Amino acid sequence: GENVEQHPSTLSVQEGDSAVIKCTYSDSASNYFPWYKQELGKGPQLIIDIRSNVGEKKDQRIAVTLNKTAKHFSLHITETQPEDSAVYFCAASLNSGGYQKVTFGTGTKLQVIP
Amino acid sequence: EAGVTQFPSHSVIEKGQTVTLRCDPISGHDNLYWYRRVMGKEIKFLLHFVKESKQDESGMPNNRFLAERTGGTYSTLKVQPAELEDSGVYFCASSQDIRPDNEQFFGPGTRLTVL
Repeated sequence: GENVEQHPSTLSVQEGDSAVIKCTYSDSASNYFPWYKQELGKGPQLIIDIRSNVGEKKDQRIAVTLNKTAKHFSLHITETQPEDSAVYFCAASLNSGGYQKVTFGTGTKLQVIP
Repeated sequence: EAGVTQFPSHSVIEKGQTVTLRCDPISGHDNLYWYRRVMGKEIKFLLHFVKESKQDESGMPNNRFLAERTGGTYSTLKVQPAELEDSGVYFCASSQDIRPDNEQFFGPGTRLTVL
């Protein structure tokens, strides 16, 4: 089955700096890569995603990159703000029996220091 | 529109007891998923319902776990008897269809502690 590794497990940055979270996946059949943000007391929420036919996607201060050859993808947050503090999960999705099966990474706890 | 809801938010039980978790998906969502996160580890897939049918239950740890979705609406996940290693946060998610980029909406989770 698919295996997703995520680094780092914790990340502290000063407000205004950039944060980068990196993930690798094992199954080349994975074709969709969502990123989730989990705030305290809430469930994970999709913040950005990328399909396997795209190398980069940007939405305001967040961007994701995908390298299919190397099987790794990254989340970039620029101009970080205190409200970006949360746990971030990467995930890889592949077709399993006609349905998409999502495998998550272990999470990165991001702390933005004001 | 109401999001995915889960009940209870927290549950503390003793080893050997039974616990039942409930998930109410977003209305109209045929796909319902259960996941579990043990402290510091990945959000791990447990099973996937399409309406009332179990599409994939390959992630269920063992036969102490029983999931149901009668009528294709809400779902329950029962753990009987609970063991220490069952502790963790159980998430439910739902999605409208099965397209790869169809967002899964997560509930807030149930934190289960087995003493």
